[in-house]
Amino acid sequence: GAGVSQSPSNKVTEKGKDVELRCDPISGHTALYWYRQSLGQGLEFLIYFQGNSAPDKSGLPSDRFSAERTGGSVSTLTIQRTQQEDSAVYLCASKRRPGQGAYNEQFFGPGTRLTVL
Amino acid sequence: GQSLEQPSEVTAVEGAIVQINCTYQTSGFYGLSWYQQHDGGAPTFLSYNALDGLEETGRFSSFLSRSDSYGYLLLQELQMKDSASYFCAVSDYNQGGKLIFGQGTELSVKP
Repeated sequence: GAGVSQSPSNKVTEKGKDVELRCDPISGHTALYWYRQSLGQGLEFLIYFQGNSAPDKSGLPSDRFSAERTGGSVSTLTIQRTQQEDSAVYLCASKRRPGQGAYNEQFFGPGTRLTVL
Repeated sequence: GQSLEQPSEVTAVEGAIVQINCTYQTSGFYGLSWYQQHDGGAPTFLSYNALDGLEETGRFSSFLSRSDSYGYLLLQELQMKDSASYFCAVSDYNQGGKLIFGQGTELSVKP
């Protein structure tokens, strides 16, 4: 079946502009995660949605970052007034319903490479 | 908070066995996972350990010792295609369903 998809695959923007990154999770998956990965680094947790519960926003680095998930499916990560330090690959992942599959098995999309000039 | 430590890079030859260690600190440990990421690719799930012991999946095995806050990923019969970054990640029941990832170990397999 189709995996997690993200768009755009690459985004180049100018400092100070807003950007929106989109994630389409695997159909039927109830949890959705956003991570950020700088070159040669690990994955930095940003935000997590589980079903209809309030999202866990504890990883968002500043109030310039926000995310929403519409209809329990598609998610958009928005970065306002982008800064050069926001340049990174933004990864989205989804996970099956609790009790299905391995507990920590997340399915990742290919990522969006964001470059802020 | 949580922290994980793993070596930044490991080199091995084709056909050999390599072990990538991970030590962690977290208050409400729930489980340890391993993910593989090829250059420019998406991370893919390899294994999950919640209980002490060894879990084997083909050429890859993962081990956990909760008392030592330690785990490792063992790769046998190394192949060139195993060259990738390997991340350990912990889940913490105080942190809901999110994963905290280590910085990754870059494995280079030489002929």
